[in-house]
Amino acid sequence: SQQGEEDPQALSIQEGENATMNCSYKTSINNLQWYRQNSGRGLVHLILIRSNEREKHSGRLRVTLDTSKKSSSLLITASRAADTASYFCATVNSGYSTLTFGKGTMLLVSP
Amino acid sequence: SAVISQKPSRDICQRGTSLTIQCQVDSQVTMMFWYRQQPGQSLTLIATANQGSEATYESGFVIDKFPISRPNLTFSTLTVSNMSPEDSSIYLCSGTGVVGTEAFFGQGTRLTVV
Repeated sequence: SQQGEEDPQALSIQEGENATMNCSYKTSINNLQWYRQNSGRGLVHLILIRSNEREKHSGRLRVTLDTSKKSSSLLITASRAADTASYFCATVNSGYSTLTFGKGTMLLVSP
Repeated sequence: SAVISQKPSRDICQRGTSLTIQCQVDSQVTMMFWYRQQPGQSLTLIATANQGSEATYESGFVIDKFPISRPNLTFSTLTVSNMSPEDSSIYLCSGTGVVGTEAFFGQGTRLTVV
């Protein structure tokens, strides 16, 4: 069953704008990861944030984690048309080794 | 990082037949997994492919329907058996090096059962 719930389900913005996606989860986690998927293809790992971290950056990506609220957010700054994709959060629960994926956010960036 | 080659990329199959999907990793990975993704939906874990032993299946998935092999650390197959239209999905394999960290994915197999 899905652990994470992303919102919004779909997001449409213009190039240059920032995109924010949120993820909530239910159980204690070891880490939370974000992935991108283009048009039903394979997923690409974007960033991993551990349960003892609160914020992490990678290029134009900023991820925050609030374990007290069991939530995370992914911010993409200065978006580009090439950022158009589906974005999934995935959690690794404490004591387990498998990823549990959320439902995903479809991001459309228009030129 | 690892690169996973998955094939076929897509197939259209008759109901009642079986399809075997292959994944080859370019380096050793500790764990390999198989997922199903129905159109517009999230990924659901089918099973963990264990090297040299039976796969560990998630609730709702059984070995008779989805037999999995993993003869070594870099190769795994998933067979979708006795297919019905409900099996139409994208099937993805993935691998991880260190347990619980970044996962690498194949490009997926888009299966249509008619």
